[in-house]
Amino acid sequence: DGGITQSPKYLFRKEGQNVTLSCEQNLNHDAMYWYRQDPGQGLRLIYYSQIVNDFQKGDIAEGYSVSREKKESFPLTVTSAQKNPTAFYLCASSVTSGTGQYFGPGTRLTVT
Amino acid sequence: AQTVTQSQPEMSVQEAETVTLSCTYDTSENNYYLFWYKQPPSRQMILVIRQEAYKQQNATENRFSVNFQKAAKSFSLKISDSQLGDTAMYFCAFRQGGSEKLVFGKGTKLTVNP
Repeated sequence: DGGITQSPKYLFRKEGQNVTLSCEQNLNHDAMYWYRQDPGQGLRLIYYSQIVNDFQKGDIAEGYSVSREKKESFPLTVTSAQKNPTAFYLCASSVTSGTGQYFGPGTRLTVT
Repeated sequence: AQTVTQSQPEMSVQEAETVTLSCTYDTSENNYYLFWYKQPPSRQMILVIRQEAYKQQNATENRFSVNFQKAAKSFSLKISDSQLGDTAMYFCAFRQGGSEKLVFGKGTKLTVNP
């Protein structure tokens, strides 16, 4: 079955540690995205990538980093510089032609 | 910058009835796309329906349809024959033509009561 996978579903880290969230898709989509969702809020764009080895900052990129070495994979690293990292993180992908974005199941990150 | 406003934080409807969720947006462009996403308690975001701004005909997907009023910058979602499984957060989203960015509203929590 085609789709987007994110792992793990729940992640716990101590403050000051970097953590990497996984996102893999087998939809053959060119574009991939990372969003952050906080309680009572919509989604906010962190980073996106339209092609391998290229990515752009979204609206809240500070404290985050990404890589796009393969078309299928777009991992997100939450660094210790991110002041409020506890949130629900969603990965998405799309064909770059105005179609909708398709989302993975998300990762709930808790930093204490 | 584009903004998306959902003025109804919460709504409820009886099973089998019809409900309409509101969404307005702000843009000065003519080429854009609009979407409704559903987020059930599992938190998986599911694309419900999409509309291209250049199309006058309102999009329909089974029990879901939109009322797209371009001049009024309004994009409401109508759910017919509501089912218990429709209980979820619903997000309206805007995408400028040529841009990869989706701008989301803050969502409407819909509860379908038996």
